[in-house]
Amino acid sequence: DQQVKQNSPSLSVQEGRISILNCDYTNSMFDYFLWYKKYPAEGPTFLISISSIKDKNEDGRFTVFLNKSAKHLSLHIVPSQPGDSAVYFCAASAVTNNNDMRFGAGTRLTVKP
Amino acid sequence: ETGVTQSPTHLIKTRGQQVTLRCSSQSGHNTVSWYQQALGQGPQFIFQYYREEENGRGNFPPRFSGLQFPNYSSELNVNALELDDSALYLCASRPGRTNYGYTFGSGTRLTVV
Repeated sequence: DQQVKQNSPSLSVQEGRISILNCDYTNSMFDYFLWYKKYPAEGPTFLISISSIKDKNEDGRFTVFLNKSAKHLSLHIVPSQPGDSAVYFCAASAVTNNNDMRFGAGTRLTVKP
Repeated sequence: ETGVTQSPTHLIKTRGQQVTLRCSSQSGHNTVSWYQQALGQGPQFIFQYYREEENGRGNFPPRFSGLQFPNYSSELNVNALELDDSALYLCASRPGRTNYGYTFGSGTRLTVV
C-alpha cells in the first residue's frame, strides 16, 4: 500500500540552477509532511517540513510547497549545490496514526558542477 | 548523549535463524520507531514504541517484535529469518508524540543467506 509516491527515481541538475523534487500522497488523513536527505552509509537526515495548514515553508535555499487539493508536495532547492547530491525522501504523517511516517521511494538528486 | 546509535552495522545470518538489532536513542527521546529499507525503496514502517509499549505497527508479521527500555535503548527482534528480510534496518527516535521529525541512526545492514 504505497501511500506516498515519488515517481522520479532520479534527477540531474546543473550547479546554481533550481532542483524540484515532487511527491504525491493518497491518504487524506496525512497532516504533516517532511523531507529527508540521505547520503550513502548514513541514516536519513531531516531537512524541512510543512503542516497541512500551510501551503509553503521556506528555510534558506529549501522551500516546500503543499497543494492539498492535488495531494501533492514539492521541494525546491535554489541554488543547487554539488553537496546537495543525495537521495531525498518525502514522508507524511497523521495525528490519527500516532504521527508516524510513511515514506516515498526516494529521488536521487545529482548536482553537476 | 546525542544522536542515535545502532549496532551492529552489518550482520549476516542464515535463513531460519533469529536476530536482535539494537538501538540507543538520544536522552529524552521516549518514542522510537523501526523501519526496514529494502534496496531501492523508501523506509517501510515496522512499529513504534512509546514509553516501552508498542504504539503502532505496519504491515509486518508477528515474527518481527520489539522492546523499548527505560534507558532510551530498544531492540528489534526477527525470528525465522527469510531471504526477503535482507535490508537496512533503521531506528529513529523523537521526544514524545510530537510532529517533529525523527532523528535516525545509520542503520544495520542485515543479509540473510
